[in-house]
Amino acid sequence: DTEVTQTPKHLVMGMTNKKSLKCEQHMGHRAMYWYKQKAKKPPELMFVYSYEKLSINESVPSRFSPECPNSSLLNLHLHALQPEDSALYLCASSQGETGIPGRELFFGEGSRLTVL
Amino acid sequence: SQQGEEDPQALSIQEGENATMNCSYKTSINNLQWYRQNSGRGLVHLILIRSNEREKHSGRLRVTLDTSKKSSSLLITASRAADTASYFCATDFSGYSTLTFGKGTMLLVSP
Repeated sequence: DTEVTQTPKHLVMGMTNKKSLKCEQHMGHRAMYWYKQKAKKPPELMFVYSYEKLSINESVPSRFSPECPNSSLLNLHLHALQPEDSALYLCASSQGETGIPGRELFFGEGSRLTVL
Repeated sequence: SQQGEEDPQALSIQEGENATMNCSYKTSINNLQWYRQNSGRGLVHLILIRSNEREKHSGRLRVTLDTSKKSSSLLITASRAADTASYFCATDFSGYSTLTFGKGTMLLVSP
């Protein structure tokens, strides 16, 4: 199984809502990532989990709250978002810890978020 | 910015032609990877080239790396309509363990 599964595929939420994005992988990867991608732009790193611990937070606003319940799951909790947070949110995983360079990333298909 | 810069930003060719995309970066790297993204979908890893390698092949893909010029190129030979996608280079900068993606090249292959 070489898939990273993200749910939901599409999400529309108001600025006062609380929602969550979910990501799952069963490749035994120990590093998991959240990226944000705006239209016609490259993916931008948000968070990195390594061995279920948050290792990198790229100065992301606190209205985005990541969680890694176990080595296969990664969540992104959303609260009080702004319209400019509308984007494609991509989850990825890789073998081993993030301290080793040259790791191929496996991406999910993304969750398209629209904030009204 | 450490971000790579792809060139051209957009490329339009006919099926059967070759497509060449370039990536330049600013600081020393450990590795450089190329990814493909179909519109609105996730990214797919294509190929990785290490800093001590100069050229690598995978099927119809050929990647070169020139660390002295801090640049890489991706050549897709005998392109197909199905190759239509955005292509991103991504680098492991020395001392920074995660990938940073370049701005991407949008490739359109017309039948």
